[in-house]
Amino acid sequence: ETGVTQTPRHLVMGMTNKKSLKCEQHLGHNAMYWYKQSAKKPLELMFVYNFKEQTENNSVPSRFSPECPNSSHLFLHLHTLQPEDSALYLCASSQASSGVDSGANVLTFGAGSRLTVL
Amino acid sequence: GNSVTQMEGPVTLSEEAFLTINCTYTATGYPSLFWYVQYPGEGLQLLLKATKADDKGSNKGFEATYRKETTSFHLEKGSVQVSDSAVYFCALRSGAGSYQLTFGKGTKLSVIP
Repeated sequence: ETGVTQTPRHLVMGMTNKKSLKCEQHLGHNAMYWYKQSAKKPLELMFVYNFKEQTENNSVPSRFSPECPNSSHLFLHLHTLQPEDSALYLCASSQASSGVDSGANVLTFGAGSRLTVL
Repeated sequence: GNSVTQMEGPVTLSEEAFLTINCTYTATGYPSLFWYVQYPGEGLQLLLKATKADDKGSNKGFEATYRKETTSFHLEKGSVQVSDSAVYFCALRSGAGSYQLTFGKGTKLSVIP
């Protein structure tokens, strides 16, 4: 158990469905992240939340909508996805990046949610 | 911008063989460097890290040295085991205030008995 829990582990949805991915961390971290892992591509950072405030959005299409109600929970709401959105979605958390040592802050990842869009 | 280049896989080795996975980077400033490992069906786990030039990160028999002059952070292990079969990711994170962790594409390692 890594301390970062993602549900569901597997999700199959049609292009017109609405679903959500959930991430929960019990590490006392203040920063949370969504990454997309596709085959043969580097991990892509999607969103970053720091103390519940969104601090990065890497040009992610609006069909992906993040929500961070508190420092321990992060959601990714999905609607009208495309087949090319099929991927492993990884949540991660870390101490909030601040101060001279923030570059070394370590990310703790969840096991991921495998999404298949039909 | 920042980028990480690591050797293409897959890499297949026999048990007890020597492992090297090359990683080079481009970055502004003084990044911290990481190796993450992803076992089948799992998320990424930190394997080791180095935060400044000439630092050596080590864990579970794996080592990597932060070489600023060659902008490299090659992963090595003297004797691999079947349990080391996984995908290995080199990554960097820029200095203070940055949340962006830039990953390489990953190198799949298969160790056969």
